[in-house]
Amino acid sequence: DADVTQTPRNRITKTGKRIMLECSQTKGHDRMYWYRQDPGLGLRLIYYSFDVKDINKGEISDGYSVSRQAQAKFSLSLESAIPNQTALYFCATSGGGVGYQETQYFGPGTRLLVL
Amino acid sequence: ILNVEQSPQSLHVQEGDSTNFTCSFPSSNFYALHWYRWETAKSPEALFVMTLNGDEKKKGRISATLNTKEGYSYLYIKGSQPEDSATYLCAPDNNAGNMLTFGGGTRLMVKP
Repeated sequence: DADVTQTPRNRITKTGKRIMLECSQTKGHDRMYWYRQDPGLGLRLIYYSFDVKDINKGEISDGYSVSRQAQAKFSLSLESAIPNQTALYFCATSGGGVGYQETQYFGPGTRLLVL
Repeated sequence: ILNVEQSPQSLHVQEGDSTNFTCSFPSSNFYALHWYRWETAKSPEALFVMTLNGDEKKKGRISATLNTKEGYSYLYIKGSQPEDSATYLCAPDNNAGNMLTFGGGTRLMVKP
């Protein structure tokens, strides 16, 4: 079984709809991240959480919110989806070592299309 | 927001060719430089984490060097194979918190 899972894997929604992307991990890591990927722009950090009570905005948090329901679960919500939120979304986790040396482990990604 | 640049954006090589590409990043407040390999339809996977100036890491035919004083890292692939085709991402950590800033990546395509 995959260590980092994301649901759904693909989603089509309409402008104005609320949508939630979910991430679960079995690696026992404290740190979890949400990124979005747009062609030619690499991965951009949306939100990150270093433990259940610690949530922080990343580079592009506007229009998004998150919830860290448990150590293993980190959800990303789009309160009112808009077309320029069409992207590939990745969840990642890290932990167990010195912060800046920790490898991040990525989920399989969720491809979101907002019409 | 850090300025992380990778060049070239894309690269086509023949099987057996050796190749290299560059990651440039701010040298101030540097803690670590991560390299990831991202195959199409898969998740990014870690290749290397480098922290010390002059560091050199190797994994099979892939190696990387690090210059923290001038803010760059090179990734080398010796004798490229079609299975090396992927996007290679670099990401410096400049605040010790494992918050990575990813470059736009170098997309490598190796023709058989």
